[in-house]
Formats: sequence, structure tokens, C-alpha cells
Amino acid sequence: GNSVTQMEGPVTLSEEAFLTINCTYTATGYPSLFWYVQYPGEGLQLLLKATKADDKGSNKGFEATYRKETTSFHLEKGSVQVSDSAVYFCALSPLGQNFVFGPGTRLSVLP
Amino acid sequence: NAGVTQTPKFQVLKTGQSMTLQCAQDMNHNSMYWYRQDPGMGLRLIYYSASEGTTDKGEVPNGYNVSRLNKREFSLRLESAAPSQTSVYFCASSDGTASYYGYTFGSGTRLTVV
Repeated sequence: GNSVTQMEGPVTLSEEAFLTINCTYTATGYPSLFWYVQYPGEGLQLLLKATKADDKGSNKGFEATYRKETTSFHLEKGSVQVSDSAVYFCALSPLGQNFVFGPGTRLSVLP
Repeated sequence: NAGVTQTPKFQVLKTGQSMTLQCAQDMNHNSMYWYRQDPGMGLRLIYYSASEGTTDKGEVPNGYNVSRLNKREFSLRLESAAPSQTSVYFCASSDGTASYYGYTFGSGTRLTVV
């Protein structure tokens, strides 16, 4: 079946540190991959996406590359800010099926 | 602003009471979804509607009913609320380009059952 695994949180970093949140998936076919962000008290917002292997999605300084050989879509940012504190969800979109979301990773950035 | 609107934002119910969570989207999307979010559990799909006039069970449908009133509106009903239904509920919508554009989420309803 289809599934998404994310690294356990919470992740706590100091401002300007490098961020990596790991995401691996299991899926049949060639799904699209997404990262969503949820700020405190809000709904999920699309952060970035990649629709085929080797694509790199990017937005607001965040990046993730669709690696089919390792079935991964790790989220990275070179220098985090306090305002990046949020919960991050990795998700996949299997062709013709509903999205599958990971459990979420809470990030706290300290000043 | 275009998007998904959920009402109410907060609600406290007593065990056994009923209520309906409302969701409306103005993006002309065909598909709509109801999720619940619980600590450590991520998002779990309760029900979805692939198109107007159809509804299907998701991962955790017990204790809930839904109505796809028209293309814009998709409501979630709790007939007899239980403390286990204390959660944050999110509505989402998508169209046939979901694999490219993703889902659009509402801001959520925080429900407490006492």
C-alpha cells in the first residue's frame, strides 16, 4: 500500500541553523510529493511540491528533491528563523487516489 | 479571499449532544474531505466526497455522518458526541489537478467534548 514515514519530532534548533526533516514513502507508480506546513492555530498550507523524479520543489528558502531511487523527499532549509516554527507534513498523491499524509514533524526554532 | 471556510472555529459539547460542522469552498472543486487531527496521530481521513452527490468512508468514519449539500458545501455531523471525538477537524478540497496543485485546507474547528 501507500504510506509516508517522517522523522520523529519534536525538532528543536537555534536560529540560523540548518534544517533537515526526513521523509520516505512507499507507493505504487509515480506519485506526486508534497510538503505542507501548519503554523500554530492554523490549517495546513502547501509549502512545496514535486511531480516527478529528480524534480526539486522550493519555496520560502525550503527545498526538497524527489529521489525515486531512495524513495525520499527530505525537506531542507539552510538557515531557519523563529517564524519557521510549525508542524511540517510530508504527503504523497498516488494516481487516482486520496492523498496520504505523514504524521507530521514539529519544529521549534529558538532565538 | 478564495478558499475553504469552516464554521464554527471553536465548540464545546457535552457528551451525547449533536452538532454539525460546516465547510464551504468557492474554488469550484469537485472533491471535498473531512480530517481529524489528534496529537501524535497526524491527519486521519473521516469521510470524503469525490464529486457532488457521492460520499465515501475514510479511515475513521465511526460516529460521524456527512452530507454533500451541493458542489460548494460538505458538512460533518456528530449525532451523539463522545469525549473520544475531541479533536481539531479540518475540511479540504481539490479538483482533478490535485496531483499538481494539492489540497486546499480550511483553518479548522477545535471541538471539545466534555
